[in-house]
Amino acid sequence: DAGVIQSPRHEVTEMGQEVTLRCKPISGHDYLFWYRQTMMRGLELLIYFNNNVPIDDSGMPEDRFSAKMPNASFSTLKIQPSEPRDSAVYFCASSGRASYNEQFFGPGTRLTVL
Amino acid sequence: AQSVTQPDIHITVSEGASLELRCNYSYGATPYLFWYVQSPGQGLQLLLKYFSGDTLVQGIKGFEAEFKRSQSSFNLRKPSVHWSDAAEYFCAVGADAGKSTFGDGTTLTVKP
Repeated sequence: DAGVIQSPRHEVTEMGQEVTLRCKPISGHDYLFWYRQTMMRGLELLIYFNNNVPIDDSGMPEDRFSAKMPNASFSTLKIQPSEPRDSAVYFCASSGRASYNEQFFGPGTRLTVL
Repeated sequence: AQSVTQPDIHITVSEGASLELRCNYSYGATPYLFWYVQSPGQGLQLLLKYFSGDTLVQGIKGFEAEFKRSQSSFNLRKPSVHWSDAAEYFCAVGADAGKSTFGDGTTLTVKP
């Protein structure tokens, strides 16, 4: 298995532009998580899905952020419009059906908004 | 609601010395506990996990952790640290809803 795949690995954009981050979870996993990591705020859970349905999006910072999971093998996190304070590393993770299953993290997308 | 506290933000140890990273949790039911490691520029990787049974859990890379219910702790240990262990370490508690709550992390520096 290739593990959790994220693209792009690096993204540099200008303030006001739309940014789309992509994630392919491990096949057969029921849960998908989006995290944001910064030096100031650490690791933050933004949203997570169970069987493609959003369960908790209370961590999404603003309406500028949206996430979708159209099928079991693909999810997107979109920021529109982007702002410099959105600069961070965004991680996608997936896990199996039981809550005690560990999460498998992707390599992350480093986003820089100028 | 569950929570995790990692009291040490940064720890420095000499190569070959022993290591203990502290983790305290708060959770109303039987906890599912995890330790993850994050090397620079990488995602988090599972070191070990506790669900039930033996309270001393062995993980990868020579790490172990001991679950102590009376102290609400799940401390990570390694008898002899290698320079490659320098990384950030996260403790996490798993919830019924599938998600885990992560601590703020402890950064480990290894002196030669």
